[in-house]
Amino acid sequence: EAQVTQNPRYLITVTGKKLTVTCSQNMNHEYMSWYRQDPGLGLRQIYYSMNVEVTDKGDVPEGYKVSRKEKRNFPLILESPSPNQTSLYFCASSLSSGVADTQYFGPGTRLTVL
Amino acid sequence: SQQGEEDPQALSIQEGENATMNCSYKTSINNLQWYRQNSGRGLVHLILIRSNEREKHSGRLRVTLDTSKKSSSLLITASRAADTASYFCATLGTGRRALTFGSGTRLQVQP
Repeated sequence: EAQVTQNPRYLITVTGKKLTVTCSQNMNHEYMSWYRQDPGLGLRQIYYSMNVEVTDKGDVPEGYKVSRKEKRNFPLILESPSPNQTSLYFCASSLSSGVADTQYFGPGTRLTVL
Repeated sequence: SQQGEEDPQALSIQEGENATMNCSYKTSINNLQWYRQNSGRGLVHLILIRSNEREKHSGRLRVTLDTSKKSSSLLITASRAADTASYFCATLGTGRRALTFGSGTRLQVQP
């Protein structure tokens, strides 16, 4: 089944404790991105990747890192999480190297930073 | 600032009625997409309309795009309780490499 998977789905952590949220897609998509969703603000893009080893900042990149060593995986890293990073996070992918195509979203990761 | 803004923020209708949601944006775009999100879950793509298109249909969905007014509308005909969800428009601005999402319309369809 074609899908985008994220792990973990739920995470409660404490300020400053490094964490990684994994994202994997099995559709051979070139473009992958991370969004956060907060009430009243819609989805805001954190980082995106046009292809392996090609990443760039989105609208809200502060406090986050990403890597794209393999085409299928695009992990999101929070080196020192803070409470303002408590949010619902979505990974998405699309077929082409641009973002003009349909985005396929993962199920989301609900992160709480205490 | 948000590129796409949906209106209304919330909409409650009876099953069988039509639901119309609007989206306004600020800059020129390559395309506009509509997504649906069931509570707390991932977004699902509904329909994409390109800047040179004016109307598009997909099943019970009808999307219009007016680039002169920088606005789009999503019409769901003969709504069902299962259509209850949040609906987001997302725009791809000219020269941009990221979609910009609005804050969404919460649709409640009463059985």
